Order: sequence, then structure tokens, then C-alpha cells
Amino acid sequence: GIQVEQSPPDLILQEGANSTLRCNFSDSVNNLQWFHQNPWGQLINLFYIPSGTKQNGRLSATTVATERYSLLYISSSQTTDSGVYFCAALSATYSGGGADGLTFGKGTHLIIQP
Amino acid sequence: ETGVTQSPTHLIKTRGQQVTLRCSSQSGHNTVSWYQQALGQGPQFIFQYYREEENGRGNFPPRFSGLQFPNYSSELNVNALELDDSALYLCASSLAGGGEQYFGPGTRLTVT
Repeated sequence: GIQVEQSPPDLILQEGANSTLRCNFSDSVNNLQWFHQNPWGQLINLFYIPSGTKQNGRLSATTVATERYSLLYISSSQTTDSGVYFCAALSATYSGGGADGLTFGKGTHLIIQP
Repeated sequence: ETGVTQSPTHLIKTRGQQVTLRCSSQSGHNTVSWYQQALGQGPQFIFQYYREEENGRGNFPPRFSGLQFPNYSSELNVNALELDDSALYLCASSLAGGGEQYFGPGTRLTVT
């Protein structure tokens, strides 16, 4: 199945700094999503971005499908941005029986210090 | 628009017991997927339900089973609980066809 790798695994920044999180995937995708998991476990949808570029406030994301990677940018970080960020992908060439689910990376643990 | 809801929030069971977790999909969504998230890991796909039938499954044994109801809500059942089943169980809803998935708050299951 598709492999999803995220980097870096951990990132510690000062408030106000910018950051870039990377997601590499091993196959062409129908779905590529970025999530922020809060301390209570809730996965918050950030972007649905199988290709192209999107922006939402201080966050933006770019997926280069032909090169099989996606980037999540966080500008002017705030302490509330702390948490784990997951990238998840759905293969476009899945050949198993039935539907497939999202394959998640191991996440990037982001800590924003005041 | 109503989001994805799950119940219960927390649950403690004993090894060998059975458990049922519940999920209500987001309004307008007809597909429900279940995921298991062990501590420190990313979520792993268990199975997906569409039109009240399982239409895809990850690498989980048959003691993990489910149901989907006509209103698109869903249940996850786990029989013969093992200690390694302790995890956060997440439900996601979507429109069929690989569209964006929206997750509920999860049920944290502890098996002792």
C-alpha cells in the first residue's frame, strides 16, 4: 500500500516564527489531507489538497502531485498552534478489494514556546 | 450543519469482554470509516461502511466488526478484547468516492 512519511518528527519554535512541515507519499493520490490533532485527540481538518495550493489565514499548503510531496506552512506561529500535525493520503491506484482508507504519516509534533 | 459525533467518550473494559462504539456521521455524508490510533502513532484504517455494507477493510482481524444504519450512523464492535486494543477509536464521515473525511472526537478505550 501507499507509504506516507512526515518530517521533521519534532519541531520546537518560538512564538512568531514560521515553519514548514513536509509529507512525502509513495503513490499517486486521490485524497491528501492535513490535520491538526488537539490535546484531546480531535483531528481538525486543515486542508484537503490532492494537488495545488491553498491558503487559510496563517496556514497554507502545497501539494506537488507529480513529485509526490506536500508542504504545510505555518506563519507567525502562536502557542495555540502547538500539537501534532498529520498528513494522510488515499492512493489513486489501490487495487485491493473494496474501498481503502486514509494512510497516515507518523505526524510532526510541533511545540510553540512563548 | 451537524458534525461527526461519537459515544462514549471514554470506556474501560476487561480483557476478553466485548465493546460497542457509536458514531453519527456529518449531515449529508453517506460513508463512515473507522480508525484505531495507538498512543504516539498515526491512526490506522479499520474498515469503511457505505450503503449499510462493509466495502473496505484494513489489516484488522474479524473480531473487529461493524454496522451501518439507514441514517448512515455506524457502530464498531470489538469482541474478545485484548490489552493491545487499548487506543483512541476515531470515526470519520465523507461522501462516497474518496472525498474529504471529517473526524469525530473519538472514543478512548482502555482494556485492563
